[in-house]
Amino acid sequence: DGGITQSPKYLFRKEGQNVTLSCEQNLNHDAMYWYRQDPGQGLRLIYYSQIVNDFQKGDIAEGYSVSREKKESFPLTVTSAQKNPTAFYLCASSTTSRSDTQYFGPGTRLTVL
Amino acid sequence: EDKVVQSPLSLVVHEGDTVTLNCSYEVTNFRSLLWYKQEKKAPTFLFMLTSSGIEKKSGRLSSILDKKELFSILNITATQTGDSAVYLCAVGPVTGTASKLTFGTGTRLQVTL
Repeated sequence: DGGITQSPKYLFRKEGQNVTLSCEQNLNHDAMYWYRQDPGQGLRLIYYSQIVNDFQKGDIAEGYSVSREKKESFPLTVTSAQKNPTAFYLCASSTTSRSDTQYFGPGTRLTVL
Repeated sequence: EDKVVQSPLSLVVHEGDTVTLNCSYEVTNFRSLLWYKQEKKAPTFLFMLTSSGIEKKSGRLSSILDKKELFSILNITATQTGDSAVYLCAVGPVTGTASKLTFGTGTRLQVTL
C-alpha cells in the first residue's frame, strides 16, 4: 500500500523538551510539507522540501527544524524555542514541487504539559 | 498577504438535504484551488480547479470556480451521515517553483438522521 505514515499518533512531552515527529512516504514523491493545525484555524505551513537535502521555511518556521536526508523521510523537530507547541501536526507530499495536489498523512497530536 | 475565507463556519443539515459550501480568496498569482475533506485525521483530496467556470464532479459532490469573482463553491447533494466532516479549501499560488498552499479555516458539516 502506498501512502504517508506519521508517528506517533499521540505524543506528550514536558515543556522545554525537544521532540521529533516522523513522516515517511513510499509514493516516490519529490516534495514534502509540514503543517500545523490549531482549533478554529486553517493549516499553516511550517517547512517544505522540494528535493532531497533541500528545504525552505514556511509561514511559521520559528521554533521548528527539519531535515531531508532521504527522499522518503522528512522528520520535524519541535524545539523548546517553540512557544506554543501543542497542536495537530500534518505531513503531506506531492509528486513534484510544482504539483498543487498534496496528499496527507494521518497526523500527530502533540501535547506539551 | 494571501487569504482564503470559507463560509459558513459550520452547519447542520438533515440527511438528504443539499448543501453549498463557499470559499473566497485573495491570492497573488493564483494557480489552482483545491477542496479537501477532513474527517478525524488526514485531509483527503476531493477536487482541484484551475479554470474558471468548469465544474468538477464526483458522485454527489461537485465544485465550480469563478476566477473573476475569486470564489469557489462545493455542492453536496443528497447528503449522508458519512459526509459529516470538515471541508477545507486551499489555494495554490505561483511562488517560485514550489507549491505553497494557503488554507481556509474550514466548514464543519454535520449531517443528522
